[in-house]
Amino acid sequence: AQSVTQPDIHITVSEGASLELRCNYSYGATPYLFWYVQSPGQGLQLLLKYFSGDTLVQGIKGFEAEFKRSQSSFNLRKPSVHWSDAAEYFCAVGARGRDDKIIFGKGTRLHILP
Amino acid sequence: KAGVTQTPRYLIKTRGQQVTLSCSPISGHRSVSWYQQTPGQGLQFLFEYFSETQRNKGNFPGRFSGRQFSNSRSEMNVSTLELGDSALYLCASSGGTLEQYFGPGTRLTVT
Repeated sequence: AQSVTQPDIHITVSEGASLELRCNYSYGATPYLFWYVQSPGQGLQLLLKYFSGDTLVQGIKGFEAEFKRSQSSFNLRKPSVHWSDAAEYFCAVGARGRDDKIIFGKGTRLHILP
Repeated sequence: KAGVTQTPRYLIKTRGQQVTLSCSPISGHRSVSWYQQTPGQGLQFLFEYFSETQRNKGNFPGRFSGRQFSNSRSEMNVSTLELGDSALYLCASSGGTLEQYFGPGTRLTVT
């Protein structure tokens, strides 16, 4: 069965510092992987996705993620965070089939120190 | 293209009442999923509709139900409201890929 783990519930970084949010998944085949961001009281916005091909994917707002099959990971990175990046980040894994399914991790809340 | 819209955005109900939430997907999208989000439980999948049929279902009691119309618009109904049903209810639409596009949510408060 599919599963997604985001080991860090909260992460705090200083403005201008680099960021890495961890995501581990469990799935038998090549998964479809996503990162979403949610600002307080808002819906989720798709940051980036991985379906196949180049394992380093670029997304919006300067984010990137790297798919590492050997580690079953899809970590989200940003070289320099801005105060506006404070939000909750969700990793998700999807599977195509008779009934397409997507499963979300529990989220990582990112706090930015000025 | 217009995004996913949800109405109403805010709702206050009393225990025991029922509520209906509405979701209009992105034009051309045939899949609509519903999620409940609370601080304690996080984002939980309720159900997904595709072409007017429920395709996937989460682990929620039968008080939670939904439907989808021929124009892909979807409604979610919660009967006999409980205090624990207070949450942000999110709707997401998808158009043939696994990418989901979320609406802003409906904030339901049960008193």
